[in-house]
Amino acid sequence: DGGITQSPKYLFRKEGQNVTLSCEQNLNHDAMYWYRQDPGQGLRLIYYSQIVNDFQKGDIAEGYSVSREKKESFPLTVTSAQKNPTAFYLCASSKAGSNNSPLHFGNGTRLTVT
Amino acid sequence: GQQLNQSPQSMFIQEGEDVSMNCTSSSIFNTWLWYKQEPGEGPVLLIALYKAGELTSNGRLTAQFGITRKDSFLNISASIPSDVGIYFCAGNPRTSGSARQLTFGSGTQLTVLP
Repeated sequence: DGGITQSPKYLFRKEGQNVTLSCEQNLNHDAMYWYRQDPGQGLRLIYYSQIVNDFQKGDIAEGYSVSREKKESFPLTVTSAQKNPTAFYLCASSKAGSNNSPLHFGNGTRLTVT
Repeated sequence: GQQLNQSPQSMFIQEGEDVSMNCTSSSIFNTWLWYKQEPGEGPVLLIALYKAGELTSNGRLTAQFGITRKDSFLNISASIPSDVGIYFCAGNPRTSGSARQLTFGSGTQLTVLP
């Protein structure tokens, strides 16, 4: 079955450490996205990539970094510069350039930084 | 950026009751999407609306694209326990743009009491 796999499901880190969240898709989608979800708020876009080796900042990119070396993979690094890193992180993918192609989401990674 | 106001924030209903929730915006959207998110999982697309005035059903769910293009409604009829979750609206100002332009509502948390 095609889909998006995020790992790990839960992640705990100490303040000051960088941490990388994995996102892999086998849907052959060109576009991939990272969102942050906080309680009582809508999803906020962190970074997105329309094609391999290219990515763009979203609305809340500060303190995050990404890479897109392969079509299937779009890892997100939460750096120590991110002031409030504890959140639920969602990865998504879609066919590029088409609004009629819905977002497919992974099951998320819950990051807790203490 | 654009904002969506989604209401109510939460609902507690008895099994068998009908449910209604809505999203409003101060600016025009040309696409409205409704997603459901179950605990610990990513959102799943329920209904997509692409035309003002459009009314679309998916089983017991019915969504409408407001005629002003500034609002959308989701109704669930004869609720059942598995309807529990968070329902999100999302709007795109373009009809054929990418998901980059999506704005998400803050969600309606639905609890169905037996």
